[in-house]
Amino acid sequence: QQKVQQSPESLIVPEGAMTSLNCTFSDSASQYFAWYRQHSGKAPKALMSIFSNGEKEEGRFTIHLNKASLHFSLHIRDSQPSDSALYLCAVSSGTGGYKVVFGSGTRLLVSP
Amino acid sequence: NTKITQSPRYLILGRANKSLECEQHLGHNAMYWYKQSAEKPPELMFLYNLKQLIRNETVPSRFIPECPDSSKLLLHISAVDPEDSAVYFCASSLSGTDSNERLFFGHGTKLSVL
Repeated sequence: QQKVQQSPESLIVPEGAMTSLNCTFSDSASQYFAWYRQHSGKAPKALMSIFSNGEKEEGRFTIHLNKASLHFSLHIRDSQPSDSALYLCAVSSGTGGYKVVFGSGTRLLVSP
Repeated sequence: NTKITQSPRYLILGRANKSLECEQHLGHNAMYWYKQSAEKPPELMFLYNLKQLIRNETVPSRFIPECPDSSKLLLHISAVDPEDSAVYFCASSLSGTDSNERLFFGHGTKLSVL
């Protein structure tokens, strides 16, 4: 059964800093890797996703995937207080939405 | 996000029966119920994909989903238990059959069991 773990559990960074969040998964056949962001009291919202090894950048956010090491990460450049939220990584181990497994989350606080 | 609406927003129950409702206006073919307990990630309860039900076998039988049509989803709960206190999110995705299914979540129903 797919195991998805995130680190760190929580993180405090100053405004303007680079933030790095990590996610490891156990199923080497996993095909889809995504990050969701959940502000307090709100619903999770998809941020970015990636399918193949390498990097993908969208604005201040970069996702990096290394399937061989069963690891992917999210990097936030110039972190803003509005980035403060719970970040959930999600991994799909096959076709079908029911195959998506969420990590336990990293709670990020960006201090002004 | 007004494209997936859930009702009610908040629910406080004793040991009663109640139904949660969800409607999506995205034209998606797959709809989901997720449960998020405090300090935990969302956990899939049920998925309807073009009327076909896929269930998480760990979900207690007192939770019964219903999908009247492709845009509506209900969750009937009978004799709630204190362990059911959580936020219940409805979600949808385009087909439910691809590996790259981006999930769109509703705002959630917060259930508090007395």
